[in-house]
Amino acid sequence: KAGVTQTPRYLIKTRGQQVTLSCSPISGHRSVSWYQQTPGQGLQFLFEYFSETQRNKGNFPGRFSGRQFSNSRSEMNVSTLELGDSALYLCASSPNSATNEKLFFGSGTQLSVL
Amino acid sequence: KQEVTQIPAALSVPEGENLVLNCSFTDSAIYNLQWFRQDPGKGLTSLLLIQSSQREQTSGRLNASLDKSSGRSTLYIAASQPGDSATYLCAVLETSGSRLTFGEGTQLTVNP
Repeated sequence: KAGVTQTPRYLIKTRGQQVTLSCSPISGHRSVSWYQQTPGQGLQFLFEYFSETQRNKGNFPGRFSGRQFSNSRSEMNVSTLELGDSALYLCASSPNSATNEKLFFGSGTQLSVL
Repeated sequence: KQEVTQIPAALSVPEGENLVLNCSFTDSAIYNLQWFRQDPGKGLTSLLLIQSSQREQTSGRLNASLDKSSGRSTLYIAASQPGDSATYLCAVLETSGSRLTFGEGTQLTVNP
């Protein structure tokens, strides 16, 4: 069974640009969550999608947005990039977002904003 | 606001040693607590998940305990090996939603 796949693996952008990251969950998983990891702030929750609906959102500005498609694949978009958006963006999936389920993480997309 | 703290921030031990990693959280209203492992530049691998009603979980050389009332968890690694070198993160799933709140992690180095 394939794991969580995130593309691209690395990305370099300049300030003011926008970026779209992609996440394909494990087959059969309907919940997809996104996290940002930086050396200073650690891992922070961005949002969670379940069956194409955003169920929960973290404390990030509106420049950060996401969506989920009918096949459970998810994308997140960051507009008007800032230097502080440089981070490892991790996607995680689980079958039903139930409280007894482990999360399975992808290898992440390393975003560098210059 | 839930806060998760991990002690120590870094740990270096010789191969074969038994060790304990500590995690504390401020709000006991949690569904579960999970321990993850992260290798440099990689994603997270789930090691153990303890439900709020459970006291401990075991997997191979790993044992995790949970004391929800005191807001503490420990991860015990027996007979450590160089391959155990990684950053270990604990995270709590809050009852208020589907988000995990992570600690800053413990960077473990096991020397041959």
